[in-house]
Amino acid sequence: QVQLVESGGGVVQPGRSLRLSCVASRFTFSNYGMHWVRQAPGKGLEWVAFISYDGSTKYYADSVKGRFTISRDNSKNTLYLQMNSLRPEDTAVYYCVKGSQSGDDYVSFNIWGQGTLVTVSS
Amino acid sequence: DIVMTQSPDSLAVSLGERATINCKSSQNVLYTSNNKNYLAWYHQKPGQPPKLLIYWATTRESGVPDRFSGSGSGTDFTLTISSLQAEDAAVYYCQQYYSPPYTFGQGTKLEIK
Repeated sequence: QVQLVESGGGVVQPGRSLRLSCVASRFTFSNYGMHWVRQAPGKGLEWVAFISYDGSTKYYADSVKGRFTISRDNSKNTLYLQMNSLRPEDTAVYYCVKGSQSGDDYVSFNIWGQGTLVTVSS
Repeated sequence: DIVMTQSPDSLAVSLGERATINCKSSQNVLYTSNNKNYLAWYHQKPGQPPKLLIYWATTRESGVPDRFSGSGSGTDFTLTISSLQAEDAAVYYCQQYYSPPYTFGQGTKLEIK
């Protein structure tokens, strides 16, 4: 069964950094665009960032642009989110999400990880 | 950015009855060159990640029961659950993937009456 497993969440002080990882299994990771989506406690879904299958294209939400960096290592089947200058409003569960069709940037999100909680607090 | 607005924010429906959730986009999400609406529906149960139900506005994801259906085009879309089951209680989200940022609606909480 296709699987995405996130890690790296935790409690961090405002202004500090954190790196999230997502390990993919049971599909050809290098063929698919990947996303990060977050959900603040008790709130709705907010798309955060996208990276194309080969890493050549990246998009970011305005709320994280300049602070977060999405990357991938296709040799390790792993997606990353480097989060710098963290703010209390970045507190959320962060989901790693797979695009539904290979090689296409504009597709629905068909596989979601269980998420990892990031709490930004002093 | 494309703003997605769902209605209602919440609804309560009896078992076996029909549930309807609406979603309106601030811009057209129909790509005329392939005649596809870049619109998806998800639901999320407590403590779980979201699950894809419908994509291209009307195509049911594999394994999704046929009581779920999507309709609409351009800027106005609807998710219909034809005969509500207890396991359908969840928060439902629409999402556009026409252009980044890939925005979601605010969510509609569906409860069993």
